[in-house]
Amino acid sequence: AQTVTQSQPEMSVQEAETVTLSCTYDTSENNYYLFWYKQPPSRQMILVIRQEAYKQQNATENRFSVNFQKAAKSFSLKISDSQLGDTAMYFCACPTNNAGNMLTFGGGTRLMVKP
Amino acid sequence: ETGVTQSPTHLIKTRGQQVTLRCSSQSGHNTVSWYQQALGQGPQFIFQYYREEENGRGNFPPRFSGLQFPNYSSELNVNALELDDSALYLCASSLVGGISDTQYFGPGTRLTVL
Repeated sequence: AQTVTQSQPEMSVQEAETVTLSCTYDTSENNYYLFWYKQPPSRQMILVIRQEAYKQQNATENRFSVNFQKAAKSFSLKISDSQLGDTAMYFCACPTNNAGNMLTFGGGTRLMVKP
Repeated sequence: ETGVTQSPTHLIKTRGQQVTLRCSSQSGHNTVSWYQQALGQGPQFIFQYYREEENGRGNFPPRFSGLQFPNYSSELNVNALELDDSALYLCASSLVGGISDTQYFGPGTRLTVL
C-alpha cells in the first residue's frame, strides 16, 4: 500500500516570507503524478500544483514551486511571498495504485500566515 | 463550466440509520471518486466510478456502496451508520480516471452521526 507522510503538523510564516512544507511518499510505480492540495476553512480541496515523476524539472505555478527528489521519494512545496489567503491545510497526495488516479493523502500540514 | 457540487451540505443522523450523499461531476468528466475525511486527518479513498461501473475501492466495508448515473452524477450510500462514520465526505471528478488526470473536488458533505 502507498503511504504519504507529512512530518510537520503545523507551521507558521510571516506575510511576504517563504515557507517550505515537507512530504515523503512510498510507491513502487515508475511513472506517476504527485499533487499538493490546499483546503481552506471553507473545506473545498483546491489543487495547488502537480508534478509528473518522469519530468526532471520541478513544477512551478506562480508563487508555488516544488522540490521533487525522485530517488529520495520527497516532494516538498515552497510558497514564496506568503499571503494571508494562503492560510489553510495543505495535503500532499500520490496515486494509490497504477490503475488510475485514486489518491492516497498525507495527514496534512496546517499553515498559518501571520500579518 | 460548472464545478463539482455536492448535497446536502450538512447532515445529522443517528446510529443505525442509512444515508445517501449526492455528487454532480464537473462538466465533461465521467469519473467520480469518493473520499472520507475524519476531523484533523487527510482524506481516505472510498471508491471510484467510471462510466457507471465501480473502478476501484479502498479499505471500507460493504455497507459503503455507491452508484453512478448515465449523466455521471453519483451517490454514496452508507448503511447501519456508526459513530465513526462522522466525517466530511468529499466527491472528486476527473476526465477519465487515468493516472495523469487531476481530480477536482466538491465542497463536501459534513455527516454527523449521534
